[in-house]
Amino acid sequence: AQTVTQSQPEMSVQEAETVTLSCTYDTSESDYYLFWYKQPPSRQMILVIRQEAYKQQNATENRFSVNFQKAAKSFSLKISDSQLGDAAMYFCAYSRNSGNTPLVFGKGTRLSVIA
Amino acid sequence: NAGVTQTPKFQVLKTGQSMTLQCAQDMNHEYMSWYRQDPGMGLRLIHYSVGAGITDQGEVPNGYNVSRSTTEDFPLRLLSAAPSQTSVYFCASSRLLDRDSYEQYFGPGTRLTVT
Repeated sequence: AQTVTQSQPEMSVQEAETVTLSCTYDTSESDYYLFWYKQPPSRQMILVIRQEAYKQQNATENRFSVNFQKAAKSFSLKISDSQLGDAAMYFCAYSRNSGNTPLVFGKGTRLSVIA
Repeated sequence: NAGVTQTPKFQVLKTGQSMTLQCAQDMNHEYMSWYRQDPGMGLRLIHYSVGAGITDQGEVPNGYNVSRSTTEDFPLRLLSAAPSQTSVYFCASSRLLDRDSYEQYFGPGTRLTVT
């Protein structure tokens, strides 16, 4: 069974600084997808960024980028120029590459942004 | 296009009562799923459906029933509520983008308390 581990329950960052959230996963599949979701206090789940395992290039979405290390099964999220609105729970998630398969989530990292 | 809607937003039940959490989407998505979120546990899959008439169990299915009679609706039934079912429940649906790449959309969640 696939598992996703987020080893940092809480992180903090100064406004305008950069922070990296860690995620490791375990799978025997060679093709899969990885995601980072943001959950602000409103509890709405918002997709931040997605990475296809067959792509070597790291995904980037504005201030958010990932460091995908397939051999190490590592998928970290870097947030640059942190803003107060980035404060939230962040969840790393995995899914098998079959189109309609469930997500497996990590336990989350709570990010605080200090003004 | 209302996305994924969930009703109610909040609910308090007594032990042994039954209720149905409603989930609907108007995006014609085939895949739908239910997760529960507990503190420190991330999101865990309860049941999912790959299309009308087809459902399957996830990681934590005990105490919950689902059915999928239409593409739009995927209700979650609690037949005899227990305090262990106190949680926040999320419904999600997903659309196929390309090459088995898909994106899951989450509803706003239902906070359920069982006393």
